[in-house]
Amino acid sequence: DIVMTQSPDSLAVSLGERATINCKSSQSVSSNSNNQNYLAWYQQKPGQPPKLLIYWTSTRESGVPDRFSGSGSGTNFTLTISRLQAEDVALYYCQQYSSTSYTFGQGTKLEI
Amino acid sequence: QVQLQESGPGLVKPSETLSLTCAVSGYAISSGYFWGWVRQPPGKGLEWIASIYHSGSPYYNPSLKSRVTISVDTSKNQFSLELSSVTAADTAIYYCVRDRNGAWGANFDYWGQGTMVTVSS
Repeated sequence: DIVMTQSPDSLAVSLGERATINCKSSQSVSSNSNNQNYLAWYQQKPGQPPKLLIYWTSTRESGVPDRFSGSGSGTNFTLTISRLQAEDVALYYCQQYSSTSYTFGQGTKLEI
Repeated sequence: QVQLQESGPGLVKPSETLSLTCAVSGYAISSGYFWGWVRQPPGKGLEWIASIYHSGSPYYNPSLKSRVTISVDTSKNQFSLELSSVTAADTAIYYCVRDRNGAWGANFDYWGQGTMVTVSS
């Protein structure tokens, strides 16, 4: 299995500032067909299911604010939240797909 | 709008089989996509369990494969999960998801609200 490791485990950022969450995969998660990476990010608020934010490393899901952005390549990926807002307080998970199997990072708790 | 709703027993005895069903509305399963299950132990992270295409062809988390069966019933627009020989470690919130494996990468774009399953005698 590919292991996804997020850092930090928790993060406190002031309103209006930038938050950066990192995700490292133990192996490449690139697609053979289009040279993109099977890397997605989710946001989970208390008592709710996760919400898909970003897929293909950097493509925002429909309706996701543009203050959320993803980047990365190889085995290192980043979720950036610019101009942090109060409603962004949540747990964030990265997720990869490879060899017909999915794994998630352990999660990063984002606080104000 | 696509909606998923899990149903099944909230309490299962150790060594027995956990059975859950996910009813899908707002989208016909037979139209496409994969459909799957993800679980989350209390206070912990997410674990993918299994997914299945609308016409069959399941794939499983290797660590759970020996105990898991996923199936789909397009006539009822629902899919199901069976997890055998459960232990306390299987206590979790179980989410059903739409598995968007294909042109949109491989991710889960729709989630049910989740159902808590406790394994205890």
